[in-house]
Amino acid sequence: GESVGLHLPTLSVQEGDNSIINCAYSNSASDYFIWYKQESGKGPQFIIDIRSNMDKRQGQRVTVLLNKTVKHLSLQIAATQPGDSAVYFCAEKVNQGGKLIFGQGTELSVKP
Amino acid sequence: EAQVTQNPRYLITVTGKKLTVTCSQNMNHEYMSWYRQDPGLGLRQIYYSMNVEVTDKGDVPEGYKVSRKEKRNFPLILESPSPNQTSLYFCASSFSSRGGSPLHFGNGTRLTVT
Repeated sequence: GESVGLHLPTLSVQEGDNSIINCAYSNSASDYFIWYKQESGKGPQFIIDIRSNMDKRQGQRVTVLLNKTVKHLSLQIAATQPGDSAVYFCAEKVNQGGKLIFGQGTELSVKP
Repeated sequence: EAQVTQNPRYLITVTGKKLTVTCSQNMNHEYMSWYRQDPGLGLRQIYYSMNVEVTDKGDVPEGYKVSRKEKRNFPLILESPSPNQTSLYFCASSFSSRGGSPLHFGNGTRLTVT
């Protein structure tokens, strides 16, 4: 079936470096994409989202890139900090639909 | 404080004993949803509700029931729990189901069925 997946299950970066977390999706009807961060013992927290009519969206230290041609989504974190250590999930949905499909998650580990 | 509250946080039960996990949000959100999180499988949607008295199946609805009699509450019911329902459960809500309305998650309920 259609699914959202991640290229790497774990990512380890040095503090201060930039991090890039990738995500592939297969539902061509999806038109809204979201990144969530999940810290240990907590529920996922919204980071940033992007609609399918955009290629790039920036937040505070985070940027999401969307490549609809190859159905690829990425999350870039600038100047990664220890507090960024968490599991990151991408998710996709068809706008106004109720179903939200999550990827399996990437664990980001930041080394001091 | 705006939040999604799930209870209980931890629950251990036996096969076949009916249980309910409660979920309440204080943000006047229309949309609510339940997910289960399992190692290697990520978050999978069980049921969702677009508004009061409107519920729909997600990807893994078997063995679960929900109800949405009031806007703020969205309980998850396991009529006859089985060990394969041992999991970490999350309730979430958002203003609407439209894009641009991010989900707010509760802190989870860890359920063990023996």
